[in-house]
Amino acid sequence: EAGVTQFPSHSVIEKGQTVTLRCDPISGHDNLYWYRRVMGKEIKFLLHFVKESKQDESGMPNNRFLAERTGGTYSTLKVQPAELEDSGVYFCASSQDLFDLGGAWNTEAFFGQGTRLTVV
Amino acid sequence: DQQVKQNSPSLSVQEGRISILNCDYTNSMFDYFLWYKKYPAEGPTFLISISSIKDKNEDGRFTVFLNKSAKHLSLHIVPSQPGDSAVYFCAASVGFLAGNNRKLIWGLGTSLAVNP
Repeated sequence: EAGVTQFPSHSVIEKGQTVTLRCDPISGHDNLYWYRRVMGKEIKFLLHFVKESKQDESGMPNNRFLAERTGGTYSTLKVQPAELEDSGVYFCASSQDLFDLGGAWNTEAFFGQGTRLTVV
Repeated sequence: DQQVKQNSPSLSVQEGRISILNCDYTNSMFDYFLWYKKYPAEGPTFLISISSIKDKNEDGRFTVFLNKSAKHLSLHIVPSQPGDSAVYFCAASVGFLAGNNRKLIWGLGTSLAVNP
């Protein structure tokens, strides 16, 4: 079974340009998350999709960032226009919540390898 | 202000010995804690988790302990193996178990080196 895949693995763009990152979650996973790690700082939540709907987008830095999840399958994260502080590694993760018989959620999220974005 | 703190950037242990990775948090509303492991150029991989209603969870060589009064959790790896060398992240969430919230708050990570 294929894991979470992200494209591209690396991207170097100039300030002011537009970049679109793509994430293909594990097939059948309703939940899709975007995270970002800026160098030297902690991994930060950006947003959470449940199928095609945005469940929580409280971590999106500003309106230069636009995330979509067409048909509840793959997701894109567009940065337009990119700024220097947008540089970092962008991770995507997916999960399929299962409420087990023990009364607990099995919510393991599987991460992609990340996209390293460098804005120069 | 960081809500999840991993104060040791790195840790080095001998193969076969115990590795103890620590994590402190400030938000008393956190009800679910997770440990992730990350190798270079890869995404984080889920390792083990614990809910706030428990104080210990064990999975093979990995055990997580939670001390709510001290707002502290630790990950024990026994015995440590060279393949355990990676960066370990502590993460926490509010409302995770109720299904209300999947937002994880992460620590900075601790780089573990297990020497043969």
